[in-house]
Amino acid sequence: GAVVSQHPSRVICKSGTSVKIECRSLDFQATTMFWYRQFPKQSLMLMATSNEGSKATYEQGVEKDKFLINHASLTLSTLTVTSAHPEDSSFYICSAPGGKSGNTIYFGEGSWLTVV
Amino acid sequence: SQELEQSPQSLIVQEGKNLTINCTSSKTLYGLYWYKQKYGEGLIFLMMLQKGGEEKSHEKITAKLDEKKQQSSLHITASQPSHAGIYLCGADPDSWGKLQFGAGTQVVVTP
Repeated sequence: GAVVSQHPSRVICKSGTSVKIECRSLDFQATTMFWYRQFPKQSLMLMATSNEGSKATYEQGVEKDKFLINHASLTLSTLTVTSAHPEDSSFYICSAPGGKSGNTIYFGEGSWLTVV
Repeated sequence: SQELEQSPQSLIVQEGKNLTINCTSSKTLYGLYWYKQKYGEGLIFLMMLQKGGEEKSHEKITAKLDEKKQQSSLHITASQPSHAGIYLCGADPDSWGKLQFGAGTQVVVTP
């Protein structure tokens, strides 16, 4: 079964509203999680590193005020897309390193965001 | 930043035939990860290679990392429809868990 879970898997929101996506590690603690974005027919683009108990680290070109990341506990990171616009529509996916094997990076199932 | 080049971009293979996907890095790899994805779904972890010359196999999939740790290959033997999907190689450039990905290889398996 999945060791990293994302919710919701699909969400539709209106322009100007905010939407939150959750990423949970199910059977292990993750002090660090990562958020990616995937455009149609393209590879994954790293957006930010989510750090438990401290501020997220954003990759160059990613607006931190647009994509708010909160790592509230050792098993939960959230990505909030604020004041969403249609160009924010995308597939967002998170990952967490660790797991029982210790050297595996597990990915969530991803979340489809559509802004109308 | 670490750049990963995957080839081919896509390939069509007849069921039962073998296929190979390559992943080349501009820098020495710390760790090289192979994932499979169906577009719009999560990534399925296949294998992770860390040592030069390392080779790992799982069922009909074999991954290798060259001695210089700059090139990896993924080989599928006797492909099946279940092998269809997008294969992604990812490298950890500087800190554990933060992956940079190649562009992906779309694999189609025909009857």
